[in-house]
Amino acid sequence: GAVVSQHPSWVICKSGTSVKIECRSLDFQATTMFWYRQFPKQSLMLMATSNEGSKATYEQGVEKDKFLINHASLTLSTLTVTSAHPEDSSFYICSAREGAGNQPQHFGDGTRLSIL
Amino acid sequence: KQEVTQIPAALSVPEGENLVLNCSFTDSAIYNLQWFRQDPGKGLTSLLLIQSSQREQTSGRLNASLDKSSGRSTLYIAASQPGDSATYLCAVSSLTGGGNKLTFGTGTQLKVEL
Repeated sequence: GAVVSQHPSWVICKSGTSVKIECRSLDFQATTMFWYRQFPKQSLMLMATSNEGSKATYEQGVEKDKFLINHASLTLSTLTVTSAHPEDSSFYICSAREGAGNQPQHFGDGTRLSIL
Repeated sequence: KQEVTQIPAALSVPEGENLVLNCSFTDSAIYNLQWFRQDPGKGLTSLLLIQSSQREQTSGRLNASLDKSSGRSTLYIAASQPGDSATYLCAVSSLTGGGNKLTFGTGTQLKVEL
């Protein structure tokens, strides 16, 4: 149980393109979803937290107009990187949690984004 | 602000050896601590979750301990195998922010050689 599906796993696109990444909880209801970014040989950095039906809470230094997050249902959250540029190239990972803060987060397999 | 440190940053051992990975955190007000495994270019696989009220958790050849008062956790891997080669991350869920934040350590890159 507790499977999180992230799609696509890999995307290459031209500078200026907007890219949407989906995160789905397959067998549980994700009251909270999280988006992380990971640069090569570095750890995961939290970008934003979203609760179903509410606006996302962004971490300091993360541009909310650049990284649009939608959590429209209890099983789906999307991250849209708008007008992507080469510096946005990174590994993006989502996670989902059912219930309170003492419950574990379940992670997707990540999306490798390369902007040319 | 919670800070998580992992030592060593990299470790190379021969197959069959028992090993210990270390994780320390600065703020002891935590909900839980998790150990993850990450293979190159992949997402995270949860290995063990220790709630703040617990001292240790075991799964197969893995044993994780938690000493909340001293801000430390260890991951013990028994009889290591080449398939254990990966990066191991520990992460703490802090009470600050209602437990909504997982703070990750920088990871230990493990290589188990034949």
